[in-house]
This record gives sequence, structure tokens and C-alpha cells, in this order.
Amino acid sequence: DADVTQTPRNRITKTGKRIMLECSQTKGHDRMYWYRQDPGLGLRLIYYSFDVKDINKGEISDGYSVSRQAQAKFSLSLESAIPNQTALYFCATSDPRQGKDTGELFFGEGSRLTVL
Amino acid sequence: AQSVTQPDIHITVSEGASLELRCNYSYGATPYLFWYVQSPGQGLQLLLKYFSGDTLVQGIKGFEAEFKRSQSSFNLRKPSVHWSDAAEYFCAVGAESSASKIIFGSGTRLSIRP
Repeated sequence: DADVTQTPRNRITKTGKRIMLECSQTKGHDRMYWYRQDPGLGLRLIYYSFDVKDINKGEISDGYSVSRQAQAKFSLSLESAIPNQTALYFCATSDPRQGKDTGELFFGEGSRLTVL
Repeated sequence: AQSVTQPDIHITVSEGASLELRCNYSYGATPYLFWYVQSPGQGLQLLLKYFSGDTLVQGIKGFEAEFKRSQSSFNLRKPSVHWSDAAEYFCAVGAESSASKIIFGSGTRLSIRP
């Protein structure tokens, strides 16, 4: 089983609908992230969380919200989806050791979202 | 602000040939540098990273990268590619040792010619 699991893997929805992408991890990491991948643009950070009570906006947080339900669970919501939110979304974790985050990210397999 | 450029969008090499993928970064101090690989339908996996020390870094799957401060580059190399290396490769740069500060390049898609 994957250490970082994303559901759903694929979703097609219509403009204006509310969508939630879920991420769970068994790595025991405190830090979790949501990225968006678009062709030719690489990965861009949407939100990140260093623990259950610490949530931060990333580079492109507008139109998105998140919830850190537990150490192992981090959900991304699109309150009212629009077509330019069509993308591949990745959840990731990292593990600071001895107070220093090495920067290595552990990724889920991605959730492909299409907004019509 | 830091940035990272991968000049090649798509590269095709023959199986068994050598490979070099280019990465240039912009950052005022010593950067934290990474190469990730994304196989089709998969998430990204770390190939190697550079924080300090020896400028030639060995990674998994036979890959290596060399940090050249004078050229602001961190190119990825492999002496002999295998068909299974076909994937998208991302270079990333961090301003400090925190994954939340990492900036990804736009990626280079590698195709392997039989």
C-alpha cells in the first residue's frame, strides 16, 4: 500500500460544484502539502500544514481551502470549482528531523481533476 | 527570489546512450537543490539532493548530478539510459531547509528510443 494515499484518483465535475480531495498518510510525518501540476508550469504550492493547528497559504491559494483533520489527514477543497482549476493535484509529506527539514518531499500518486 | 529553469521541454535519447538534463537556478546564497522523477501515472520520487559538500551527488537508479556554483547549474546525468527511465524530470531549488520553500522547474520529459 502507498504511504501517501489520495482519493479520488480521477474526478470530473461541473463549474460551480464543491469538490474535496483527500489525502492520508502512514509515514508519521507532521508536515503535509498540496500542490497543483499544470503542463509546462511544474508544481506550485497551494497550502501546507506543519501540524494540525498550523496551516499556511502557499503560492496559489485563491479558490482553495484545506482542513487538517488529524496528523495523518489533509484535505483540499474547491468551494466552487471553475474550469481553470482543471489540473493534477498532489499531496506530499515531509519529515523534519532534529529540527531541520531536509526538504525531501514524499508524494501521493495524484488526483486528476477536470472541471467542465 | 529564487527560481529554477529547465531549458529543455522534451528530450529523446536512444536506449544505452548517455543523458544530461539541464537545470539552472537563481538564488543569492548556497541553494538546496533536488531532482525528482515522475513516472507515468505516478507521484514524484526524489532522485538526489544537494545541500553542501561534494559537488558531485550520487542518486538512485544510477543518476548523478553536479552542482556548479559558477554556472548556477545542477545538471542531471546518467551514463546509459534504460527504457524504464522514460519519465518527466523536475529540478527544484530551496532557499532553506524547508520543503515549503521549494520551487520546482517546469520539467523535462524524457523519451527513450528503442
